[in-house]
Amino acid sequence: AAGVIQSPRHLIKEKRETATLKCYPIPRHDTVYWYQQGPGQDPQFLISFYEKMQSDKGSIPDRFSAQQFSDYHSELNMSSLELGDSALYFCASSLKGSWYGYTFGSGTRLTVV
Amino acid sequence: DAKTTQPNSMESNEEEPVHLPCNHSTISGTDYIHWYRQLPSQGPEYVIHGLTSNVNNRMASLAIAEDRKSSTLILHRATLRDAAVYYCILSSSSGAGSYQLTFGKGTKLSVIP
Repeated sequence: AAGVIQSPRHLIKEKRETATLKCYPIPRHDTVYWYQQGPGQDPQFLISFYEKMQSDKGSIPDRFSAQQFSDYHSELNMSSLELGDSALYFCASSLKGSWYGYTFGSGTRLTVV
Repeated sequence: DAKTTQPNSMESNEEEPVHLPCNHSTISGTDYIHWYRQLPSQGPEYVIHGLTSNVNNRMASLAIAEDRKSSTLILHRATLRDAAVYYCILSSSSGAGSYQLTFGKGTKLSVIP
């Protein structure tokens, strides 16, 4: 079965650079969620989109933005990168009304140097 | 959001049952109880969820106390592949139809061969 696809798997950026992470949800899933997991930390919710509209906002820095496109894929844009942004970034998708839970991707490991 | 409390870590012998407890004394009447697990270097994975009645699926069973203030995830026969961090999460729904999952401190399960 198709899973949630995230790209790239690994990304190395320098401080103050920008990064764009991509997420392709499971076909027919209408909701996408972004999570950040720092080293030794638990996943922290950043933002979610339902039917291409932002539905919830968590602890997402102002330097970050995200959107969901017409084909339901989502992109997380990160600017003015800081060393503390180094983390695993997970995307998950779900289908409204379905109780099969979230399906998470394998994540993008961002390293800021 | 209502909070959950889980032990930091637990150990189990391979092929023995494992009971992972979770306390959620401030759960509201509409909160679902979700369990996810995260294997090393992977994204979280849905395990099971329930509202009031006990639930079974191919991965695990969920036993929910009658007053819903606690629950227990049961792995019937632990395998080495079950070594992971297990998260007990109460769902909170958003107005857009998605439901947000807030990860807290989970239980790190070690399985001893």
